[in-house]
Amino acid sequence: QVHLVESGAEVKKPGASVKVSCRASGYTFTRYFIQWVRQAPGQGLEWMGWIHGGSGYTKYSQRFQGRVTMTRDASASTAYMELSSLTSEDTAMYFCARDLLGAGNYGSAAFDYWGQGSLVTVSS
Amino acid sequence: QSVLTQPPSASGTPGQRVTISCSGSSSNIGGNTANWYQQLPGTAPKLLIYSTNQRPSGVPDRFSGSKSGTSASLAVSGLQSEDEADYYCATWDDSLKGLVFGGGTKLTVL
Repeated sequence: QVHLVESGAEVKKPGASVKVSCRASGYTFTRYFIQWVRQAPGQGLEWMGWIHGGSGYTKYSQRFQGRVTMTRDASASTAYMELSSLTSEDTAMYFCARDLLGAGNYGSAAFDYWGQGSLVTVSS
Repeated sequence: QSVLTQPPSASGTPGQRVTISCSGSSSNIGGNTANWYQQLPGTAPKLLIYSTNQRPSGVPDRFSGSKSGTSASLAVSGLQSEDEADYYCATWDDSLKGLVFGGGTKLTVL
């Protein structure tokens, strides 16, 4: 069975960076995109970007361009999302998810398996 | 302000049929397929509908999706108490060149 397990909660100071990991199991990591989505407390879902598990090809939301870096270690079936220059507005639950339909260089908006989420709190 | 517009709330009584709308434009819903997610409190979202009207295995056929022009809809028939959750639509936006989510609809079972 497919599982995505994210790293634990983090507390960061404004201006710092955070790196969240997402370890996948139960499927061939290199055949799928991993998507990253965040959700601020009491708010809706916000797409951050994707990375292909095999090629490492990435695409980032314009909103986070220049501040987010997504990488992967295919040998460990793990994807990473690093967000820099944190502010209090980055306090959120960060989810990774497997893309059901993405192919080539394009992900889709259909995410069939999700991690449990990693809470990032930015506070001075 | 979300690119995709959903009503903030919807409600129904057990057994009823409820529809949630997702209004967009020609650059998103109008030209791409819609996807729907259910999020129970304190949990990760769950894919309910993909490619506008396809259900992943395990999703009851009480849930159905459709699209007309620049709007998509999620219908929940035979409403049950466990359907009380937040529902989100999502799709690709050709203008933004990225994925977009609706603002979410809180479904209450009265």
